[in-house]
Amino acid sequence: QQQVKQSPQSLIVQKGGISIINCAYENTAFDYFPWYQQFPGKGPALLIAIRPDVSEKKEGRFTISFNKSAKQFSLHIMDSQPGDSATYFCAARFRSRNASGGSYIPTFGRGTSLIVHP
Amino acid sequence: DAGVIQSPRHEVTEMGQEVTLRCKPISGHDYLFWYRQTMMRGLELLIYFNNNVPIDDSGMPEDRFSAKMPNASFSTLKIQPSEPRDSAVYFCASSPRGYNEQFFGPGTRLTVL
Repeated sequence: QQQVKQSPQSLIVQKGGISIINCAYENTAFDYFPWYQQFPGKGPALLIAIRPDVSEKKEGRFTISFNKSAKQFSLHIMDSQPGDSATYFCAARFRSRNASGGSYIPTFGRGTSLIVHP
Repeated sequence: DAGVIQSPRHEVTEMGQEVTLRCKPISGHDYLFWYRQTMMRGLELLIYFNNNVPIDDSGMPEDRFSAKMPNASFSTLKIQPSEPRDSAVYFCASSPRGYNEQFFGPGTRLTVL
């Protein structure tokens, strides 16, 4: 089964604090690990992504840490702001072969509801 | 760019009625995905298309659900007959060939009474 396990389910952080969301996977065929951010009433939007040949990727206040041997990856939000309050999804993708020659199948975690108090 | 367009944004119907959700992907994107989001099950992939061809529909919950993509700019997800347990937010997403990011539409909130 292609599964991604995400924790915690919800997270409350004070403004200026660090938010950490963790994900774990089993399928070593996954080759792309994005994080999506979803605000209420909106669709998810890509926030940041990483490939397994890199251990860390940083974009502004958002950092992905990737541990290939442990099959875990996490999102760190530094200096968390109330505007960061949203639901965050980790995801993983692997490439499979079919009659068309190839396709990729994304799998999403269950999501983490982040609330940042002012 | 208008992004992924979904209609209607909200749909309220009675059990047993047919429901059709519509999606217009971003022009030039070769992949189109339909997702269902609920509190209990999170974000579930229902089906996806590549160049208008359905590739994987293993996520479609049962025969009451069907999806079509008659051309590169339009897709539908149909539920017939609808049931209260189908109540959810349905998202359409598209993705360009050779890239990894999925672009989601605003979703359709479906309520089946």
